Amino acid sequence: GAVVSQHPSWVICKSGTSVKIECRSLDFQATTMFWYRQFPKQSLMLMATSNEGSKATYEQGVEKDKFLINHASLTLSTLTVTSAHPEDSSFYICSARDRPPEQFFGPGTRLTVL
Amino acid sequence: GNSVTQMEGPVTLSEEAFLTINCTYTATGYPSLFWYVQYPGEGLQLLLKATKADDKGSNKGFEATYRKETTSFHLEKGSVQVSDSAVYFCALSSNNNDMRFGAGTRLTVKP
Repeated sequence: GAVVSQHPSWVICKSGTSVKIECRSLDFQATTMFWYRQFPKQSLMLMATSNEGSKATYEQGVEKDKFLINHASLTLSTLTVTSAHPEDSSFYICSARDRPPEQFFGPGTRLTVL
Repeated sequence: GNSVTQMEGPVTLSEEAFLTINCTYTATGYPSLFWYVQYPGEGLQLLLKATKADDKGSNKGFEATYRKETTSFHLEKGSVQVSDSAVYFCALSSNNNDMRFGAGTRLTVKP
């Protein structure tokens, strides 16, 4: 089956620093990748949708300048949390899709901002 | 817009009990329906799916039938195990649209 990896699986950083999270589709080409955020004991909230080679589409309320998304190739998307603050601490999950409707999810990245 | 309403948990069952987690949806067109499972500290794993009305998805003893007349996709398992303890998410996706998730139902199975 389709495999999606995320790196790192967890990261701890100081407030004010930037953190980059990578999402890779390992055995298929993903024309579309999605980034989700999950708070403890809650469901996934879609942050943005990115298509290879074009700008990401952000959901309402998600700051595009804070959560930078790059989808430079068909197998790699990155999410950079800029100037991270403690309230950005969360579980970030990416998913990848080659054709609708099914998405394949990565294992998630736990970000803790001190 | 599309949305999913899922039975709220938590649900606690004894081993070998019967499980039902209700899921209903609102959607335009003909969505595909999914159940995902999330184990502690991990991402989502696809449990089963159904892409058209009356389809039954099944995997690892879990089943769900796509009921268009009741707009439902309830998850069932005849005999749960301790290893089934996890959070279960119902989700739908319509063609090129993104996926919409239910709130999740936490299941705990006690020996």
